[in-house]
Amino acid sequence: KAGVTQTPRYLIKTRGQQVTLSCSPISGHRSVSWYQQTPGQGLQFLFEYFSETQRNKGNFPGRFSGRQFSNSRSEMNVSTLELGDSALYLCASSFGTIDIQYFGAGTRLSVL
Amino acid sequence: AQRVTQPEKLLSVFKGAPVELKCNYSYSGSPELFWYVQYSRQRLQLLLRHISRESIKGFTADLNKGETSFHLKKPFAQEEDSAMYYCALKETSGSRLTFGEGTQLTVNP
Repeated sequence: KAGVTQTPRYLIKTRGQQVTLSCSPISGHRSVSWYQQTPGQGLQFLFEYFSETQRNKGNFPGRFSGRQFSNSRSEMNVSTLELGDSALYLCASSFGTIDIQYFGAGTRLSVL
Repeated sequence: AQRVTQPEKLLSVFKGAPVELKCNYSYSGSPELFWYVQYSRQRLQLLLRHISRESIKGFTADLNKGETSFHLKKPFAQEEDSAMYYCALKETSGSRLTFGEGTQLTVNP
């Protein structure tokens, strides 16, 4: 069974641009969560989707948004990029919201 | 608000020595606690889940609600245990995980 797939693996953007990251969950998983990982702040929860509905949102500005499609694939978007948005963005999927989460390899975003 | 604290950023032990990675949490409800591990150049993966009460790769962790701790222990460390370890708390509802800052474990030969 294929694991959680995140694309692209690496991204370089400049300040002010916007970016879209993609996450394909494990087949059959309906819950997708996103996390930001930085050396200073560690792993921080961004948002959680289940059956195309956002169920929970972390303490991030409105520039961070996401969505989930009917096939459970999810995207997150960051608009008006800032230098501080440089991070590894991790996606995790689980069958349901109470089940074990499996993580993708992440998308490393660098904002110049 | 929930919080997870791992007091040691770095921990170094010799092969064959016991190892304990500390984790303390604060949460008003009944949390679910996990240990995740990230080996070099690999993705974050689940090591232990407190409700399963099993031993994985020789590691065990017991939830102590009185001390609000979930320390990870292994009696005899191996070099392949060298990795970053994260303690995480999941709320009663939803998938949201709150992670500790992580402990980088190095097992020396």
